[in-house]
Amino acid sequence: EPEVTQTPSHQVTQMGQEVILRCVPISNHLYFYWYRQILGQKVEFLVSFYNNEISEKSEIFDDQFSVERPDGSNFTLKIRSTKLEDSAMYFCATTPLSSGSFIEQYFGPGTRLTVT
Amino acid sequence: KQEVTQIPAALSVPEGENLVLNCSFTDSAIYNLQWFRQDPGKGLTSLLLIQSSQREQTSGRLNASLDKSSGRSTLYIAASQPGDSATYLCAGGFSNFGNEKLTFGTGTRLTIIP
Repeated sequence: EPEVTQTPSHQVTQMGQEVILRCVPISNHLYFYWYRQILGQKVEFLVSFYNNEISEKSEIFDDQFSVERPDGSNFTLKIRSTKLEDSAMYFCATTPLSSGSFIEQYFGPGTRLTVT
Repeated sequence: KQEVTQIPAALSVPEGENLVLNCSFTDSAIYNLQWFRQDPGKGLTSLLLIQSSQREQTSGRLNASLDKSSGRSTLYIAASQPGDSATYLCAGGFSNFGNEKLTFGTGTRLTIIP
């Protein structure tokens, strides 16, 4: 069964450093999302992306964050200057393009980001 | 602002019993609800998706219902097994745009006692 993959599984970085988290969507999926889960808290929406542009972003997704699909397969989340509070599990999710009915979101295994 | 709540935060049940997990939401205009399973330190596994036009969905020992008027969804697990131990999350989509973001509850941590 096709699945969403994410790399790395765990990233440790120092405060102020840039990190790039990578996701490989399921091959025929066209809509992409990033969510994050701070330890012990809810899964929170960050951003959705379609047709090479951001569709929606949350208030968490400030100027320190960016997303892109650099090569038609990977979907990346970049944090320019990491802060301690960015430590969390980051999940990528993908769906096929919807015709109007809700489509199940498929989640990757996550990248655990630890900022020291 | 849409809110999704899951109570209780933790539940322990002897093996073999049937159980119900609860999910409530503040916006009755919910369009869709998805139930997930999360094992410790792992990703999210989708269990069931209920669209607003449906009242329930079944997969094996799992049955999920959606009652928009009362703002509630339930996940029923029949004949529980130790392997069912995990955190169960519900998440709602509150727009009729098919690729809407999900709003998650805090989850219920389920422990099945052998």
